[in-house]
Amino acid sequence: QKEVEQDPGPLSVPEGAIVSLNCTYSNSAFQYFMWYRQYSRKGPELLMYTYSSGNKEDGRFTAQVDKSSKYISLFIRDSQPSDSATYLCAMNGGTSYGKLTFGQGTILTVHP
Amino acid sequence: GAVVSQHPSWVICKSGTSVKIECRSLDFQATTMFWYRQFPKQSLMLMATSNEGSKATYEQGVEKDKFLINHASLTLSTLTVTSAHPEDSSFYICSAEGGSGKRNTEAFFGQGTRLTVV
Repeated sequence: QKEVEQDPGPLSVPEGAIVSLNCTYSNSAFQYFMWYRQYSRKGPELLMYTYSSGNKEDGRFTAQVDKSSKYISLFIRDSQPSDSATYLCAMNGGTSYGKLTFGQGTILTVHP
Repeated sequence: GAVVSQHPSWVICKSGTSVKIECRSLDFQATTMFWYRQFPKQSLMLMATSNEGSKATYEQGVEKDKFLINHASLTLSTLTVTSAHPEDSSFYICSAEGGSGKRNTEAFFGQGTRLTVV
């Protein structure tokens, strides 16, 4: 069993839709939870990071962490075609911000 | 945000040759750098962690003699794929952490290097 599970999709939604992306994990030592966006053949860029359980909002993006269920989510409101990318969840135990365990990534397409 | 530059962005090499990939932090000192590998439609897998001036720490299953990592300065780490074979073809990505302020809460990724071994 992988430490982090993420549905690879692909996910296709119309412009303006609310997108929900999710990951589950098995390692209870994970404390920091991140969402990265990766365009084709590019390195990932950090969208959101959350420490422990709770919600965090940044513009159209909301990240949720439920440590009791070992489940994290990213919501994208009013999705735009420019949001089309691969979204990766990542997490670590907090000893090093760069030592991350990634999910497989979900391919998202937002069509006009 | 901080900038991490990776070079080259793509490379094609013959089987049996060695390839060097550079990872530079352009505007901050990276105390630690990380090397990841990503196969098509798969996740990023951590290969190794490198700290400036010391030997890299490799993840289980990664051959240290095949993937040589050097972190000679606070702004440069290199990954050398030795005696490359077609199965080494992949997307290699580095990340760097360090500095102060916001940079202490995230690692910054390079743009990746697509290696094709023919």
